[in-house]
Amino acid sequence: SQTIHQWPATLVQPVGSPLSLECTVEGTSNPNLYWYRQAAGRGLQLLFYSVGIGQISSEVPQNLSASRPQDRQFILSSKKLLLSDSGFYLCAWSVQINEKLFFGSGTQLSVL
Amino acid sequence: EDQVTQSPEALRLQEGESSSLNCSYTVSGLRGLFWYRQDPGKGPEFLFTLYSAGEEKEKERLKATLTKKESFLHITAPKPEDSATYLCATSGTYKYIFGTGTRLKVLA
Repeated sequence: SQTIHQWPATLVQPVGSPLSLECTVEGTSNPNLYWYRQAAGRGLQLLFYSVGIGQISSEVPQNLSASRPQDRQFILSSKKLLLSDSGFYLCAWSVQINEKLFFGSGTQLSVL
Repeated sequence: EDQVTQSPEALRLQEGESSSLNCSYTVSGLRGLFWYRQDPGKGPEFLFTLYSAGEEKEKERLKATLTKKESFLHITAPKPEDSATYLCATSGTYKYIFGTGTRLKVLA
């Protein structure tokens, strides 16, 4: 069966520090991968998606970047965090674009 | 502009009190409508996919229906463990659009 792992679960970082969140999927090959951010009282905002290794599409211009160094690995990064980067970050995967999403457990990021 | 609106924002029910959650959408070329359940501090969990008007899906106390403009998530005789945020989403081209969710609280 397929599983998705996302870590860390919580993270507290000072403003201006770097960020690296990692997500891996097991039990499937060539998944579509996504990074979402969820702010309190707001819907999930798609940040990046990837349909293959090295293929990254950005939905919102921002302080973040994403990379897919391996088929089932998706990384969200920042060189210098801003206060506005605080939020709940979710990694997800799907078999096909436009199909149901399977989400990781999320990372609660607090930038202080 | 594609849009998904959920109502109500919050709903409190007594155990056993049936109700419905609404998801209204405006999407060009709808390819699928999805319902997810999200518990506090966790990622959303997939519930249903609906593809065409008139389609219905059921799972335990939940039933999802779809028309050309909206979807309903009917909850029959809910239990406290049904308390969660229910998210609706649509897929159009290469992305999903999520609603802001309905926070459901079922009281024992």
